[in-house]
Amino acid sequence: AQKVTQAQTEISVVEKEDVTLDCVYETRDTTYYLFWYKQPPSGELVFLIRRNSFDEQNEISGRYSWNFQKSTSSFNFTITASQVVDSAVYFCALSEAGIQGAQKLVFGQGTRLTINP
Amino acid sequence: DGGITQSPKYLFRKEGQNVTLSCEQNLNHDAMYWYRQDPGQGLRLIYYSQIVNDFQKGDIAEGYSVSREKKESFPLTVTSAQKNPTAFYLCASSITMTYEQYFGPGTRLTVT
Repeated sequence: AQKVTQAQTEISVVEKEDVTLDCVYETRDTTYYLFWYKQPPSGELVFLIRRNSFDEQNEISGRYSWNFQKSTSSFNFTITASQVVDSAVYFCALSEAGIQGAQKLVFGQGTRLTINP
Repeated sequence: DGGITQSPKYLFRKEGQNVTLSCEQNLNHDAMYWYRQDPGQGLRLIYYSQIVNDFQKGDIAEGYSVSREKKESFPLTVTSAQKNPTAFYLCASSITMTYEQYFGPGTRLTVT
């Protein structure tokens, strides 16, 4: 069975600090997709990144970066020079690739990130 | 602007009543999904639909029903059979199975 574990329930840092959110996944599929979503206080989930299982290159987008390591089944998310606007709940998710064309996401429990001024 | 709309944002119902949550998308996406989120929890899949007139049960479908008569619309009915209906409900859509899902703003349902 697929599973996503975000061991950090809550993280609190001071603005401008770097912070890393951990994500560990389990799957038997060889083809799968990993995602990160941000949920601000408004409640709507905002898509951040999608990564397929065949692409282990790290990705950087502004202050955000992602480290995908198949050897440790991890897909960690780092925010550099954090800002108060980064405060949100962040979800890591994993999808199966083979269910009749529909993508079934399995979410982690989320990490609540608080950036203090 | 393309996106997903859910209405209403807040909904209050008495126990024993059925209630229908609206979800509309103008992204021309084939697949649509309904999730439930409880406080401090992740999202759990209720139903999903790959194409018009077809839908599949997710992990927690009991007490819910859906329809997909139009590509743009995927309403969710919370029936009186759902034991704990109070929750935050999120609708999402995606192009196909390999692509990311985009979410609506959610409906917060309170049943008393």
